[in-house]
Amino acid sequence: GQNIDQPTEMTATEGAIVQINCTYQTSGFNGLFWYQQHAGEAPTFLSYNVLDGLEEKGRFSSFLSRSKGYSYLLLKELQMKDSASYLCAYDRGSTLGRLYFGRGTQLTVWP
Amino acid sequence: KAGVTQTPRYLIKTRGQQVTLSCSPISGHRSVSWYQQTPGQGLQFLFEYFSETQRNKGNFPGRFSGRQFSNSRSEMNVSTLELGDSALYLCASSLGQNNGYTFGSGTRLTVV
Repeated sequence: GQNIDQPTEMTATEGAIVQINCTYQTSGFNGLFWYQQHAGEAPTFLSYNVLDGLEEKGRFSSFLSRSKGYSYLLLKELQMKDSASYLCAYDRGSTLGRLYFGRGTQLTVWP
Repeated sequence: KAGVTQTPRYLIKTRGQQVTLSCSPISGHRSVSWYQQTPGQGLQFLFEYFSETQRNKGNFPGRFSGRQFSNSRSEMNVSTLELGDSALYLCASSLGQNNGYTFGSGTRLTVV
């Protein structure tokens, strides 16, 4: 990814809460995406934050601070099926149709 | 409604050959983007098409090219294949705004 960082791996146990952080540096920032990708499958959309603050969607929440170049994805009540790679990506107003991805965080949920 | 469809799902080619991958976007989506995904580099942007015009291009050599047809379907072509081109190639479609990108399941290309 271009100037976008996230941890490579994280582990947690079923029922727990995990927070995956993402930091970025860019000009012309539009918004921040989170995608989930299971091995061998397509990335699936989780959230898109444009404004600062927390957005909650069921067990998943995403936070954005534009001034700090920082976002996190919060996963509650973890389930085994949440084991996947989580990708953060931003888009820019000047480059339509293009997302800038981090390398992904591989989350493993243990029973 | 149908999602983004990529064909073929798997492909094995030898060095020096060329390959063409296809992507059919969600109906009504006019923007199609292509990405290469490898374990070492993650998702890297190849190019994006909107209404048959290439709007953006990533930092890939000229061997990588693409096009979009009037029905928004897109193809990408890689000529003179190298071992390092082995990757998962993903396409994503959107309405053309700065959000709402839906990915296809990808084409797994192996170059031997």
